[in-house]
Amino acid sequence: KQEVTQIPAALSVPEGENLVLNCSFTDSAIYNLQWFRQDPGKGLTSLLLIQSSQREQTSGRLNASLDKSSGRSTLYIAASQPGDSATYLCAVNTGANSKLTFGKGITLSVRP
Amino acid sequence: ETGVTQTPRHLVMGMTNKKSLKCEQHLGHNAMYWYKQSAKKPLELMFVYNFKEQTENNSVPSRFSPECPNSSHLFLHLHTLQPEDSALYLCASSQAGLSYNEQFFGPGTRLTVL
Repeated sequence: KQEVTQIPAALSVPEGENLVLNCSFTDSAIYNLQWFRQDPGKGLTSLLLIQSSQREQTSGRLNASLDKSSGRSTLYIAASQPGDSATYLCAVNTGANSKLTFGKGITLSVRP
Repeated sequence: ETGVTQTPRHLVMGMTNKKSLKCEQHLGHNAMYWYKQSAKKPLELMFVYNFKEQTENNSVPSRFSPECPNSSHLFLHLHTLQPEDSALYLCASSQAGLSYNEQFFGPGTRLTVL
């Protein structure tokens, strides 16, 4: 059974800091991995999707990497801003039925 | 309307009530999903529909009854719920049958069962 872990559960950093959010998964047989952002009480916004054959994806200040063999992904946020404060969720797709298994998320607070 | 929409956004119901949640996607997708997000727990997949056919039921109690009349609409019918069913219910859609299948989520329905 696939399990996704995100540690720590919460993180607080000063504005302008570069930071890395970690995600680990137990079964390396994945189709892809997706990073989401969730604001309090809201739905999920897709940030980046990495296919199993890819090593990384970039969008603006965000860069996500994938090391499938070791069961790890990182989300790198450059020059963090208070508007980046949210919960960041990692999810892996482990089947053709598009079944996503989620981690519990990391709640990020960027202090002005 | 664009993306994935859900109504209502908030719902309070008693344990004996019957209500329905609605999801609509405007992305031309043919797979739709229901997820449950409870406090302190990871998002849990409930149901998957591909081309209007249910392809996944993640051991969900029968008091939750999904319906997918077409590829754009998905409903979740609720009856005799329990207080522990209070959660954020999220709908998502994607293209079916492809290894590249990014899922797009709606804003969710916040359900409170009294």
